[in-house]
Amino acid sequence: AQSVTQPDIHITVSEGASLELRCNYSYGATPYLFWYVQSPGQGLQLLLKYFSGDTLVQGIKGFEAEFKRSQSSFNLRKPSVHWSDAAEYFCAVGSGGGNKLTFGTGTQLKVEL
Amino acid sequence: DVKVTQSSRYLVKRTGEKVFLECVQDMDHENMFWYRQDPGLGLRLIYFSYDVKMKEKGDIPEGYSVSREKKERFSLILESASTNQTSMYLCASSLRGGRFHEQYFGPGTRLTVT
Repeated sequence: AQSVTQPDIHITVSEGASLELRCNYSYGATPYLFWYVQSPGQGLQLLLKYFSGDTLVQGIKGFEAEFKRSQSSFNLRKPSVHWSDAAEYFCAVGSGGGNKLTFGTGTQLKVEL
Repeated sequence: DVKVTQSSRYLVKRTGEKVFLECVQDMDHENMFWYRQDPGLGLRLIYFSYDVKMKEKGDIPEGYSVSREKKERFSLILESASTNQTSMYLCASSLRGGRFHEQYFGPGTRLTVT
């Protein structure tokens, strides 16, 4: 069965600093990988996804992620964080059967002004 | 834009009550999902449905049932609510078939069982 690990429960960065959120997955085949963001009191919004091809994926709001098969990782990055990026971020891996997703436990991002 | 709506943002129920959470999507998606979100546990799949009247158990189906009588609507039912079902409930939908399709989420229902 697939699994996702987000090793950082909380991360605090200063506004304007760079950001990297870690995600490691376990899946037997080529994974479908996703990053979602959840603002306080809201549902989840898709930031970006990796299905195949170029291992560097661009998403919305200036985010990008890099798929590294050798490390089973799909880390999320942003060069310069804005105060509005404060939210919870979830990494997920998809399995083909039924389009099901397995989520990590999330990383709470705090942005200091 | 895909829109997934949930009937209530906040709900307070008493132990033992029967609780219905409703989810509606407007994009003709075949797949619909119910998740439960708890701090430190992420999202866990309760049930999903890939067609009308079809359902499959997810990872934590105990204490829950579902109903899908129409393609656009997927209901989560707590037959006898308990305090350990206090949580945030998220509904999602996606297309089915061909390649993997991303899921679109509703705003969530925060359920408190007292």
